[in-house]
Amino acid sequence: KAGVTQTPRYLIKTRGQQVTLSCSPISGHRSVSWYQQTPGQGLQFLFEYFSETQRNKGNFPGRFSGRQFSNSRSEMNVSTLELGDSALYLCASSLAQAYNEQFFGPGTRLTVL
Amino acid sequence: DQQVKQNSPSLSVQEGRISILNCDYTNSMFDYFLWYKKYPAEGPTFLISISSIKDKNEDGRFTVFLNKSAKHLSLHIVPSQPGDSAVYFCGAKGAPGSARQLTFGSGTQLTVLP
Repeated sequence: KAGVTQTPRYLIKTRGQQVTLSCSPISGHRSVSWYQQTPGQGLQFLFEYFSETQRNKGNFPGRFSGRQFSNSRSEMNVSTLELGDSALYLCASSLAQAYNEQFFGPGTRLTVL
Repeated sequence: DQQVKQNSPSLSVQEGRISILNCDYTNSMFDYFLWYKKYPAEGPTFLISISSIKDKNEDGRFTVFLNKSAKHLSLHIVPSQPGDSAVYFCGAKGAPGSARQLTFGSGTQLTVLP
């Protein structure tokens, strides 16, 4: 069974631009969560989608948004990029909403210049 | 306000010895705890978990201990191997009726020296 895939793996943008990251969950998994990893901050929860609806949201500004499609694939969008948005963005999938075990993708490394 | 804290950013241990990674939490609504391991350029992988109704869970070389009164959990790795060198994240999840997303600590870099 294929794991969680994220595209692109690396991305360089400049301040003010916007970016869209993509995540394909494990086949059969219906929940997708997004996390931001920065040095010293660990994994910070962005949001969780299940059945195309946002179920939980972390403490991030409205510039961070996401969506989930009917095939459970998910996209995350960051608008008006800031230098502090440089991070590793990780997607995790699980069978159902709030399921205990999540399976992570390799992440997208975003650098904002 | 960090609800899950890993106060040791790094830990070095000799091969064959015990590694003890610690994690503290503040939210009494957390009822499920997990440990993930992360190698560079890879996503975190699930290692071991424990429910709040237990105080110990063991899986091979890995044991997690939960002290609910102290709001503290620890991961023991015995014996430690060089391949265990990675960043370890402690995660916690709220009980039904509370926030159910996983809340992670900042991670501990474990280095096992040969």
